[in-house]
Amino acid sequence: GENVEQHPSTLSVQEGDSAVIKCTYSDSASNYFPWYKQELGKGPQLIIDIRSNVGEKKDQRIAVTLNKTAKHFSLHITETQPEDSAVYFCAATNYGQNFVFGPGTRLSVLP
Amino acid sequence: DVKVTQSSRYLVKRTGEKVFLECVQDMDHENMFWYRQDPGLGLRLIYFSYDVKMKEKGDIPEGYSVSREKKERFSLILESASTNQTSMYLCASSPGGLAAYEQYFGPGTRLTVT
Repeated sequence: GENVEQHPSTLSVQEGDSAVIKCTYSDSASNYFPWYKQELGKGPQLIIDIRSNVGEKKDQRIAVTLNKTAKHFSLHITETQPEDSAVYFCAATNYGQNFVFGPGTRLSVLP
Repeated sequence: DVKVTQSSRYLVKRTGEKVFLECVQDMDHENMFWYRQDPGLGLRLIYFSYDVKMKEKGDIPEGYSVSREKKERFSLILESASTNQTSMYLCASSPGGLAAYEQYFGPGTRLTVT
């Protein structure tokens, strides 16, 4: 079955710097890769996603890149702000049914 | 806005009790999911359902069962709660079909089994 690894487990950056979180997956049949942000006391919220027919997607300060050959995808956050502090999860799925999540990255943005 | 609600935010139960966790979504989504979240392990899929009365096992179904009698409601049942089922439980829904995979999560239920 699918296995998703995520690094780093914790990440601290200065406000205004960039943050990068990387995930690798094992199942070449996976075709959808979402990223979720979870704030304290809340459920995860989708922030960006990418499908296997696209190499990069950007939404304001957030971007995701996908390398299907190497089976890895990354989340990039530019110009980080304190409100970006949260736990971020990557996931992979084949046709949107059995999602497999990474273990999460706790991002702290220091003012 | 999609809304996924869970019946309780916090729940304390005793070992051996039967526990029901309820989830309701208001967007007519086809798919519904139950996950448990534990530190360092991320979210692990317990069961999912792609239609009323349909269910599929996820990665960790042992000790759990589910029920989906209506499209908007998906229930997770712990037949005989054990301490190792102490966890955060998250429900999610998604539109379904080949083009709509986006999941929307509820706020979670923190279950403690003593």
